[in-house]
Amino acid sequence: GAVVSQHPSRVICKSGTSVKIECRSLDFQATTMFWYRQFPKQSLMLMATSNEGSKATYEQGVEKDKFLINHASLTLSTLTVTSAHPEDSSFYICSALSNRQGSSQAFFGQGTRLTVV
Amino acid sequence: AQSVTQLGSHVSVSEGALVLLRCNYSSSVPPYLFWYVQYPNQGLQLLLKYTTGATLVKGINGFEAEFKKSETSFHLTKPSAHMSDAAEYFCAVRAADGYSTLTFGKGTMLLVSP
Repeated sequence: GAVVSQHPSRVICKSGTSVKIECRSLDFQATTMFWYRQFPKQSLMLMATSNEGSKATYEQGVEKDKFLINHASLTLSTLTVTSAHPEDSSFYICSALSNRQGSSQAFFGQGTRLTVV
Repeated sequence: AQSVTQLGSHVSVSEGALVLLRCNYSSSVPPYLFWYVQYPNQGLQLLLKYTTGATLVKGINGFEAEFKKSETSFHLTKPSAHMSDAAEYFCAVRAADGYSTLTFGKGTMLLVSP
């Protein structure tokens, strides 16, 4: 089946630094990828929709300049958390849409646990 | 460790018929359970969740799910399907420890015919 690889799975960074998270579709092309954030004891929150070759669409309340999304190819989207603060510590998940035979199906990355110290 | 199994990658129903999407989980600690829906080319939307309390959980759009610990199940139901319910549905589990990550099932595509 289709696979989405998210890297790194865990990262610890110092406050004020930037962290890049990669989301790759390994065996299909994904024109659309989604980035989610999971808060403690809560479900997922959609942060942004990433479309290949165009600017990402951010959900209300998500800072575009803080969470930079780049979808430069059909198999790779990146989320960069800039000037990270401890409150950015969270679990980030990406999802990629595979469009085959006229229907779309979503596949999820394994997630990235970000800890900002 | 935790895992989720959704039986059936595709489920087809007629409009007005009962919708039943199956989800079984495994978790070494008490779980939180979720159902999400994804419409074509859109992000996930939370349908409903079970954390504690009543085991029958009602969600949006007329969906409900029942947590059955003895069966390790959290099946999603709706009495009468609408055409607008056609979408992909994901069951997810996480440990009730405030730290563990979500684990998703592979999804079930619901097809609704007139």
